[in-house]
Amino acid sequence: DAGVIQSPRHEVTEMGQEVTLRCKPISGHDYLFWYRQTMMRGLELLIYFNNNVPIDDSGMPEDRFSAKMPNASFSTLKIQPSEPRDSAVYFCASSRLGELFFGEGSRLTVL
Amino acid sequence: GIQVEQSPPDLILQEGANSTLRCNFSDSVNNLQWFHQNPWGQLINLFYIPSGTKQNGRLSATTVATERYSLLYISSSQTTDSGVYFCAVEPNNYGQNFVFGPGTRLSALP
Repeated sequence: DAGVIQSPRHEVTEMGQEVTLRCKPISGHDYLFWYRQTMMRGLELLIYFNNNVPIDDSGMPEDRFSAKMPNASFSTLKIQPSEPRDSAVYFCASSRLGELFFGEGSRLTVL
Repeated sequence: GIQVEQSPPDLILQEGANSTLRCNFSDSVNNLQWFHQNPWGQLINLFYIPSGTKQNGRLSATTVATERYSLLYISSSQTTDSGVYFCAVEPNNYGQNFVFGPGTRLSALP
């Protein structure tokens, strides 16, 4: 299996622009997670889905953040408008039967 | 909610040395995993170990679920072992909302 695939790997944008991060989970996995990692806060769970349904979005920092999972093989995390404090590495992960696998992350820099 | 602690927070080793990393958790869990975040930022699965002992090359892990701790052993450390080691637990009756420890930062020096 190809593992969890994220794109883009790196994104540099200007404050106020819309950012869309994409994730393809491992086939057959029924849970999908979006995490954010910064030096200050470490690894934070933003939202997770079970069978494409959002289960817990309490970690989403504010209304500028939204996530969707239209089908079992694709999810997006959108930030609109972006701010410099959103700069971080965003990880997507998927799991089945309690074993979690991470993608390589999307490094976002907002200028 | 469940608390996950890891010790030590930082570890500096000479190449060839052995080390033990510890993960304590405050409540019963369904699952426990160890991850290695390498210097390039990749989060690599090391062990899926809700209980018992597993070995993979120079690494092994033991989880004693009844006593709420897990240990990660690294033998004959190499510079490629450097990075941050995270323990993550899935609490009972909490869905698959994994809770991560703060990590142990390991520096293996040549």
